[in-house]
Amino acid sequence: EVQLVQSGAEVKKPGESLTISCKGSGYSFTSYWISWVRQMPGKGLEWMGRIDPSDSYANYSPSFQGHVTFSADRSTSTAYLQCTSLKASDSAIYYCARQVGASAYDYWGQGTLVTVSS
Amino acid sequence: VLTQPPSASGTPGQRVTISCSGSSSNIGGNPVTWYQQLPGTAPKLLIFSNNHRPSGVPDRFSGSQSGTSASLAISGLQSGDEADYYCAAWDDSLNGVVFGGGTKLTVL
Repeated sequence: EVQLVQSGAEVKKPGESLTISCKGSGYSFTSYWISWVRQMPGKGLEWMGRIDPSDSYANYSPSFQGHVTFSADRSTSTAYLQCTSLKASDSAIYYCARQVGASAYDYWGQGTLVTVSS
Repeated sequence: VLTQPPSASGTPGQRVTISCSGSSSNIGGNPVTWYQQLPGTAPKLLIFSNNHRPSGVPDRFSGSQSGTSASLAISGLQSGDEADYYCAAWDDSLNGVVFGGGTKLTVL
């Protein structure tokens, strides 16, 4: 069974950094890109970017470039999202998803709730 | 970048459609995907490549695309269809995926 399991909820202070993990199982992890999607409270979905786990090549949405970094560890089938200098506006649910088409994601992580507050 | 109506509604058994308007750099040149997001859950793939359903998605759900617009149709509306629906497409100008703002479907 294909699964993407994300790390648990986080509470951070402004200025701190954050790392979210997304562990894939039940499929060949290096065969599919992993994308990251943000959903702010009560808002829609925003594509942050994606990473190819086979070689860790990543491309980022201009809206998030410079603020987030994607990485992947093939040995543990885990993708990571790192965010630095957190602000209150980074409070959101972050999802990882497996890409099977240009904009098609067939499996999603359960989401990681991030709260940034002083 | 993709424009959807913020809300839609229908009564049980009715057919509803949700529109998604884009441009030549996204819908006009790339396949459209639709997602259903039930409250408190991750999005679920509903339609891919404009009009294909993953296994397990009822044929009550259908998609279409024409020019720079797409639409999702839901027939035989059920209370369990109450959810947010998002369209998405690859955008060649942005070199990334763009989502619509989402449509909240209410079953009256």
